[in-house]
Amino acid sequence: RKEVEQDPGPFNVPEGATVAFNCTYSNSASQSFFWYRQDCRKEPKLLMSVYSSGNEDGRFTAQLNRASQYISLLIRDSKLSDSATYLCVVRGYSTLTFGKGTMLLVSP
Amino acid sequence: DADVTQTPRNRITKTGKRIMLECSQTKGHDRMYWYRQDPGLGLRLIYYSFDVKDINKGEISDGYSVSRQAQAKFSLSLESAIPNQTALYFCATSDESQRKKLFFGSGTQLSVL
Repeated sequence: RKEVEQDPGPFNVPEGATVAFNCTYSNSASQSFFWYRQDCRKEPKLLMSVYSSGNEDGRFTAQLNRASQYISLLIRDSKLSDSATYLCVVRGYSTLTFGKGTMLLVSP
Repeated sequence: DADVTQTPRNRITKTGKRIMLECSQTKGHDRMYWYRQDPGLGLRLIYYSFDVKDINKGEISDGYSVSRQAQAKFSLSLESAIPNQTALYFCATSDESQRKKLFFGSGTQLSVL
């Protein structure tokens, strides 16, 4: 089982749609969890951290289920500018491990 | 000016050549990292350094070496480049208090012919 697994997509959605991304991780000792966003051929940038209690930042909601080793990202009211690749990231003891990313394409 | 600067932005080279990619940062962070990104494979860690005297291998260090010349500088070398080292390379930094958050450079696209 790969350390961090994501559905590669692409997810094609119309503007205004709600879309959910899932991620699973294999190391139960993982300490911290994040979603990064990467635009085509650009550097990844932190979108949000993920907490067990769930956390929200505007249209974005992240959830963590430690028992299932599962992380999710929900985007409501999708915008054209949300088109990007979303990377699930897990921190072990000393370094971050990136998933391969899920591509989102939002169309007019 | 960018906080994390990578040079060059693009490089085309031939098999067998020695290549150095450079990274410098003005964030004052102790921790620096080199990743490579290949289509369909995501970001993979090559080497990382938690301070000037500390160098650690990552997931895919074979064929690469690094040098931490100063807190602000971390260079990646390919001693004898091969075509499967064609990739997008990213340098990143973080500090102890924010070790969850990586700050990335803009990347170096390396093509080995």
